[in-house]
Amino acid sequence: GDSVTQMEGPVTLSEEAFLTINCTYTATGYPSLFWYVQYPGEGLQLLLKATKADDKGSNKGFEATYRKETTSFHLEKGSVQVSDSAVYFCALRGDNAGNNRKLIWGLGTSLAVNP
Amino acid sequence: DAGVTQSPTHLIKTRGQQVTLRCSPKSGHDTVSWYQQALGQGPQFIFQYYEEEERQRGNFPDRFSGHQFPNYSSELNVNALLLGDSALYLCASSWLTEAFFGQGTRLTVV
Repeated sequence: GDSVTQMEGPVTLSEEAFLTINCTYTATGYPSLFWYVQYPGEGLQLLLKATKADDKGSNKGFEATYRKETTSFHLEKGSVQVSDSAVYFCALRGDNAGNNRKLIWGLGTSLAVNP
Repeated sequence: DAGVTQSPTHLIKTRGQQVTLRCSPKSGHDTVSWYQQALGQGPQFIFQYYEEEERQRGNFPDRFSGHQFPNYSSELNVNALLLGDSALYLCASSWLTEAFFGQGTRLTVV
C-alpha cells in the first residue's frame, strides 16, 4: 500500500541556518503530496502542497518540489527562524477514483531552532 | 469563515466511560475525516464520512464509531474507554482539495 517515509528527528538548527527535511513516498499513480506543520499544543496546518510531478509548493519561505523520478518531496527553507520550531509532517493522498481523501502520513520530524 | 471547529478542546474521562467528540467542517466542505494522534506520534486515520456514510475506515476497533449529519458536521464516539485511547483527536474537512484540520480535542483517560 501507499506509504510515506520521513527523516527522523529531532533536528536542531541555529537561526538563519538552511533546513532540509527529507520525505520519500511509495504510491501507485500520481498522488498529491503535502507538508503539514504542527506547532506545540496545536492542530495541523497545511504548509504547502503539490498535486503533480515537477510542481513546486511554497509558503512562508518553505519550498518542496514533487519529484516523481525519485519519489521525493523534500522540504527546504533557506533561513530558519525560532518561530519555525514545530513538528513537520509529510503526507500523501492517492489518486484513486472515488471519494478517497484519506491522508497517508509520515511519522513527523521535530525541528528546534535556537537563537 | 471559522474553519474547522472541534469541541470540546479538552476532556478527561474514566476508563470504561463513553465519549462524544464533535466537529464542524469548513464551509463548503462535504467530507470529514477523523484522526487519532498519540503523544509524539503522527496522526492515525480512524475513518472518513461523506454523504452521511462511513466511506473508509482505518485499523480501529468497533468501539470507535461516528456519524455525519446533513449539515456535514460529524461526531466521533468512543465506547468503553481504555487508557490507551488518551490522545489528540483531530478532525479534518475537505472538498476535492487539501484537508483542513481543526485544533483537536485532547482526550485524557484516567
